[in-house]
Amino acid sequence: NAGVTQTPKFQVLKTGQSMTLQCAQDMNHNSMYWYRQDPGMGLRLIYYSASEGTTDKGEVPNGYNVSRLNKREFSLRLESAAPSQTSVYFCASSEAPGPGQPQHFGDGTRLSIL
Amino acid sequence: ELKVEQNPLFLSMQEGKNYTIYCNYSTTSDRLYWYRQDPGKSLESLFVLLSNGAVKQEGRLMASLDTKARLSTLHITAAVHDLSATYFCAVVANLRDSNYQLIWGAGTKLIIKP
Repeated sequence: NAGVTQTPKFQVLKTGQSMTLQCAQDMNHNSMYWYRQDPGMGLRLIYYSASEGTTDKGEVPNGYNVSRLNKREFSLRLESAAPSQTSVYFCASSEAPGPGQPQHFGDGTRLSIL
Repeated sequence: ELKVEQNPLFLSMQEGKNYTIYCNYSTTSDRLYWYRQDPGKSLESLFVLLSNGAVKQEGRLMASLDTKARLSTLHITAAVHDLSATYFCAVVANLRDSNYQLIWGAGTKLIIKP
């Protein structure tokens, strides 16, 4: 019963490097989300995909791009990593974009940018 | 712009005691979630509150929503060590917009001592 799977779990990058965080869900959910979590703060939405084929910006999209590859997979790309992007990144999914549906979270990717 | 404020941000309490965590938000919304996060782990959905006056209970935890006061509470009864975690509330913004978002509180770190 995997739920939401994120890879990698940990990553260290140098400033200017690029990388893609992967997320896959096996619950047949329509909606997927990327958040970042910084110490002492709640989660902040980076991008989301209400359904396959659509993506929209969240609260803090600058420096990131996303791809909804298919219904299961939603990736987050950092084109040129900056130290300010050091954070824990969570992917989540929900059955529908409707606000009555709880979001189910992956275990997170801990990303450090030197 | 919707802002969500939790208090306290940190709470250390003895087993067997009762306490309440508060979640205030700044603009109209009638949808609110509570989540739990253990250190280094993912977020687990606890409660979904969908209307004014909603009350939900699970074991020693009870959550309520007062949309007129823009306040949700998470009450802990006879705390046990296993409830030690960080608790987040998240409020739905732009409910009538298909591009709704969750706005998260900063979290309440709860430590329960034997």
